[in-house]
Amino acid sequence: GEDVEQSLFLSVREGDSSVINCTYTDSSSTYLYWYKQEPGAGLQLLTYIFSNMDMKQDQRLTVLLNKKDKHLSLRIADTQTGDSAIYFCAESINSGGGADGLTFGKGTHLIIQP
Amino acid sequence: DGGITQSPKYLFRKEGQNVTLSCEQNLNHDAMYWYRQDPGQGLRLIYYSQIVNDFQKGDIAEGYSVSREKKESFPLTVTSAQKNPTAFYLCASSLLGTPYNEQFFGPGTRLTVL
Repeated sequence: GEDVEQSLFLSVREGDSSVINCTYTDSSSTYLYWYKQEPGAGLQLLTYIFSNMDMKQDQRLTVLLNKKDKHLSLRIADTQTGDSAIYFCAESINSGGGADGLTFGKGTHLIIQP
Repeated sequence: DGGITQSPKYLFRKEGQNVTLSCEQNLNHDAMYWYRQDPGQGLRLIYYSQIVNDFQKGDIAEGYSVSREKKESFPLTVTSAQKNPTAFYLCASSLLGTPYNEQFFGPGTRLTVL
């Protein structure tokens, strides 16, 4: 079955880079996502990567995908206090543009130290 | 402004009562979803719907019911059969036919059963 694993907490100093890791088990995943959730709020899509890509960069965010090891990471450069949130990794096996519920990890709490 | 609205933000109910959570979107999205989030847990899919008058069970549908009479609306009823209903409920929607199935989330409803 599908399973997505993440560590629960990550603490970094303001200005440093944060690297949040995720492993998944479903080799048929077509898209992998990173969502951000601030306290008491819904989820906001940060970025996604197609399974045939190795890397995607978007401003301060870099996503790396190691398909062989089923490992996904999100790097946030120059981490700011506003980056403090829970970050969820999610996968989808949908490839045909139809509806498909995503499978989420438990989320990583990113804690920023001044 | 386009978006997804969920109401109310906080809901309290007595044990044994059914309760209906509202979800409305004006994004003209085809698909809608309900997820449940528990502390320290990822999101788990309850139900989803691709078109009006049709919906499918997700991973944890027992004790819940939905309807999709209008494209814009996807209410979720938490019935008395749901053994542990206290949780944070998130509604999402997406446009079918896009390859990466970006799901947009509402702000959530926190349900507490006393």
